[in-house]
Amino acid sequence: RKEVEQDPGPFNVPEGATVAFNCTYSNSASQSFFWYRQDCRKEPKLLMSVYSSGNEDGRFTAQLNRASQYISLLIRDSKLSDSATYLCVERGSSASKIIFGSGTRLSIRP
Amino acid sequence: EPEVTQTPSHQVTQMGQEVILRCVPISNHLYFYWYRQILGQKVEFLVSFYNNEISEKSEIFDDQFSVERPDGSNFTLKIRSTKLEDSAMYFCASSEILGGGRETQYFGPGTRLLVL
Repeated sequence: RKEVEQDPGPFNVPEGATVAFNCTYSNSASQSFFWYRQDCRKEPKLLMSVYSSGNEDGRFTAQLNRASQYISLLIRDSKLSDSATYLCVERGSSASKIIFGSGTRLSIRP
Repeated sequence: EPEVTQTPSHQVTQMGQEVILRCVPISNHLYFYWYRQILGQKVEFLVSFYNNEISEKSEIFDDQFSVERPDGSNFTLKIRSTKLEDSAMYFCASSEILGGGRETQYFGPGTRLLVL
């Protein structure tokens, strides 16, 4: 089983819609998770950190479900500028690396 | 806002040549990393570096790769004899030491390496 799995999408939603995607992980001992966004040919940029049950920042909400080993990202009132690839990231078994999922592509249409 | 910088932004080289990719991490960060992303694929961990030595490396990071912190600011990745399959975007990242798994990594803009 892959360490971090994501639905590759693409998710194509209208502006203003709410969209959610999940990410599953295999290491039950993992403590920390992150959502990064990556625009085409650019570097990953941190969106949110998820350490406990969840985190909320404006239109973005991340939830962690340890029992089912998944993390979700909810985007409310989506904007055109939200179009990007969203990377689910797990802090690995050691402090010195993070493990990326393959990303979920999101496209917001006017 | 402090940021990680990388040079060059693009590098084209011939197979078998040596390349050095340079990074300047955020100044108060103590952990440094290199990742690569082959076009259309996911970001892959290469190596982490702390206290002037390698903390962890992946199976990708073989004897052709080395890292160095030659002075107080730069962090370099050297590929000794490049292969076609080394063509990728190489990202440098850095993080503070916060403990409890809360180290957040900040990424540089990347160096796009093309091996011909």
